[in-house]
Amino acid sequence: GENVEQHPSTLSVQEGDSAVIKCTYSDSASNYFPWYKQELGKGPQLIIDIRSNVGEKKDQRIAVTLNKTAKHFSLHITETQPEDSAVYFCAAPGGTSYGKLTFGQGTILTVHP
Amino acid sequence: DGGITQSPKYLFRKEGQNVTLSCEQNLNHDAMYWYRQDPGQGLRLIYYSQIVNDFQKGDIAEGYSVSREKKESFPLTVTSAQKNPTAFYLCASSWQVDSYEQYFGPGTRLTVT
Repeated sequence: GENVEQHPSTLSVQEGDSAVIKCTYSDSASNYFPWYKQELGKGPQLIIDIRSNVGEKKDQRIAVTLNKTAKHFSLHITETQPEDSAVYFCAAPGGTSYGKLTFGQGTILTVHP
Repeated sequence: DGGITQSPKYLFRKEGQNVTLSCEQNLNHDAMYWYRQDPGQGLRLIYYSQIVNDFQKGDIAEGYSVSREKKESFPLTVTSAQKNPTAFYLCASSWQVDSYEQYFGPGTRLTVT
């Protein structure tokens, strides 16, 4: 089944700096890679996703890059703001159940004002 | 106002009791999912349903049961057979199982003592 590894587990940055979170996956057939943001006590919110036919996708201050050869994808947040502080999860399809998403362990991002 | 609702937000039960968590969506999505989230871990799939009157086990289905009698509703029952039921439970939905874009509800925190 699919195995998703996410790094780092915690990330602390100063406001205005950039933040990068990286995930690796094991199933070369995976073709969809979402990123979720989860604030304390709330459900995860889909913030950006990418499909395997493109290498990069950008939406304002966030971007996702995909390297299918190396089987890794990354979330990039530029000009970070305190409200970006949250837990971020990556995911990839595959695994034993059709339509299943396998999630990374999460990254706690803290943006200091 | 479209979305996924879960109730209640907090739930307390005594050990040995069954408890049912509610999940309702008005997004007209075919597929629905239940995940469990424990501290420091990613989301783990309990059950999912592709269509009314059909559901499949996920990775950690033991001690749980579900039903899908209506498109809008996918309740989860945590039975007394679940050895470690205290967790944050998240419901999600997507247009179809193979569309992969999953949208989450706000979650229910279950505490069993």
